[in-house]
Amino acid sequence: DTEVTQTPKHLVMGMTNKKSLKCEQHMGHRAMYWYKQKAKKPPELMFVYSYEKLSINESVPSRFSPECPNSSLLNLHLHALQPEDSALYLCASSRWTGETQYFGPGTRLLVL
Amino acid sequence: QKEVEQNSGPLSVPEGAIASLNCTYSDRGSQSFFWYRQYSGKSPELIMSIYSNGDKEDGRFTAQLNKASQYVSLLIRDSQPSDSATYLCVVSYNFGNEKLTFGTGTRLTIIP
Repeated sequence: DTEVTQTPKHLVMGMTNKKSLKCEQHMGHRAMYWYKQKAKKPPELMFVYSYEKLSINESVPSRFSPECPNSSLLNLHLHALQPEDSALYLCASSRWTGETQYFGPGTRLLVL
Repeated sequence: QKEVEQNSGPLSVPEGAIASLNCTYSDRGSQSFFWYRQYSGKSPELIMSIYSNGDKEDGRFTAQLNKASQYVSLLIRDSQPSDSATYLCVVSYNFGNEKLTFGTGTRLTIIP
């Protein structure tokens, strides 16, 4: 089983809203990731949670904040987003960092 | 700057022919190499992983790695219209390094 689940599938939010994206895996993987992908571009790494430590891509604005309640769950909290944040948000997990990453289906986010 | 380069395409191949996708990478310390397939609007799906020089075959897919030339390729035999997608070459530079480096992807179209 190589399934990573993400909810919701689609999200439309205004610039003043607060929302959360959820990612879950039950493969016993110890590393989980959030990526942002714009159209016709490769995924860009936003956050990594591995070995109970969070690593942040320093270019990611503070209006995105990750949370890891346990080793199977990784949330992404969204606050005061901008229209340019509209993208496909992908969650992935791997057994250890540097190993094969398995992607969830993604959340298509539209910020109005 | 670690880079992974792919021809962006589009690459058009007749149905039933062999599609050849190529990728070069800049860092000789690279350890792990992955090919992902991504349909438009969907998340990346792992096709192949390869770690040592030579060929690795899985069904209609063959990955080839040449570390001396810093080159990795993916061959798709008996191409089908369902193979039409963007193919991402992805490189991991060290075991334990959480960051994968993505190529920009090659868009492949199989012509019936």
